[in-house]
Amino acid sequence: DSGVTQTPKHLITATGQRVTLRCSPRSGDLSVYWYQQSLDQGLQFLIHYYNGEERAKGNILERFSAQQFPDLHSELNLSSLELGDSALYFCASSPSPGQGYYGYTFGSGTRLTVV
Amino acid sequence: AQRVTQPEKLLSVFKGAPVELKCNYSYSGSPELFWYVQYSRQRLQLLLRHISRESIKGFTADLNKGETSFHLKKPFAQEEDSAMYYCALDQGAQKLVFGQGTRLTINP
Repeated sequence: DSGVTQTPKHLITATGQRVTLRCSPRSGDLSVYWYQQSLDQGLQFLIHYYNGEERAKGNILERFSAQQFPDLHSELNLSSLELGDSALYFCASSPSPGQGYYGYTFGSGTRLTVV
Repeated sequence: AQRVTQPEKLLSVFKGAPVELKCNYSYSGSPELFWYVQYSRQRLQLLLRHISRESIKGFTADLNKGETSFHLKKPFAQEEDSAMYYCALDQGAQKLVFGQGTRLTINP
């Protein structure tokens, strides 16, 4: 599968804990974007990395951090988890900053449930 | 602040009827607008973009700068059009801002 891969698909954890979500972009894509989708907030942009460098930040909490590694995969770290962090976290990729002709390629998401 | 608004969370129409999903935006620059679609149990994917002025699966969207709108239209709805639709604004290639989404249901 040469698309965007996100692991794990589901994650259940307790409040106060820390988790790491992983994203492997589509082959050849240098940009990775993270989004949070919750019922009341819709799709919220969190952060964008291009070729290992942070390019843009959105509504990302200080408890959250991300990085992109030399092999271009990205990890989103969520710490001191609260019930309100329960959401679907999407990763998307594109060849360069921006959408290009075909738009972003989205992963299937990681569903995080904080109990 | 840049914002994308989709006023309808839910929209239900009958098969064969016209469909219009509303999208309004606020942006100080020259906007690049898109429609993304998410079919049941599938990934979010690009449906169309305003600069290409294309028709995809019978859908079209016209950018109206005067009304700051980018409504998605289809003259005759089909059952397979049932999905979640998101309007999105590209803010200078660094991030894509999405609206809240509209769930479209086509009734037989």
